[in-house]
Amino acid sequence: SQQGEEDPQALSIQEGENATMNCSYKTSINNLQWYRQNSGRGLVHLILIRSNEREKHSGRLRVTLDTSKKSSSLLITASRAADTASYFCATDVGGAQKLVFGQGTRLTINP
Amino acid sequence: EAGVAQSPRYKIIEKRQSVAFWCNPISGHATLYWYQQILGQGPKLLIQFQNNGVVDDSQLPKDRFSAERLKGVDSTLKIQPAKLEDSAVYLCASSLEAQETQYFGPGTRLLVL
Repeated sequence: SQQGEEDPQALSIQEGENATMNCSYKTSINNLQWYRQNSGRGLVHLILIRSNEREKHSGRLRVTLDTSKKSSSLLITASRAADTASYFCATDVGGAQKLVFGQGTRLTINP
Repeated sequence: EAGVAQSPRYKIIEKRQSVAFWCNPISGHATLYWYQQILGQGPKLLIQFQNNGVVDDSQLPKDRFSAERLKGVDSTLKIQPAKLEDSAVYLCASSLEAQETQYFGPGTRLLVL
């Protein structure tokens, strides 16, 4: 079974708008990571947020983590066509050494 | 810094044939991962190595899949014999330590006919 579940499964917005994706998980974690995957490519790491952190920023990306609700969100501000990709959250399962990836959110930015 | 290298990039085989994939991780990375990604899904961990020891292979179909990490550096993943449902992208990743940021290779796209 999946540890992380992204929501929505697909999102289509206009260039310049903000995009928000959510991730829910089931067990306690040490950290949560977000990755991006362009079509036909490998995954690229975006942000790692640890369980004792609530918010992290990287450029136009903002990630929040609510451990009480077992959820995280990824916000992309001022979206660009190049942001079109699939976005995955990944968590360690109960502190195990491996990461479990969700099914992903497919984001499309329309020019 | 060179990234994770994988070869081949594409492979087409017939069912019941065998196939092997190769991965060269980032220098100095102790942890190496092989993932299977079926179209439209997230990556599923097949096997995780810490140096040349196996940390997790709970989702590796051991009757047909095998993997090794030679001298704690390069790794090969083999499928023998292949089935139609093995059609997927096989991703290799590495990290300095487990649970930390993973760096992915471009993947090998396998089509089994």
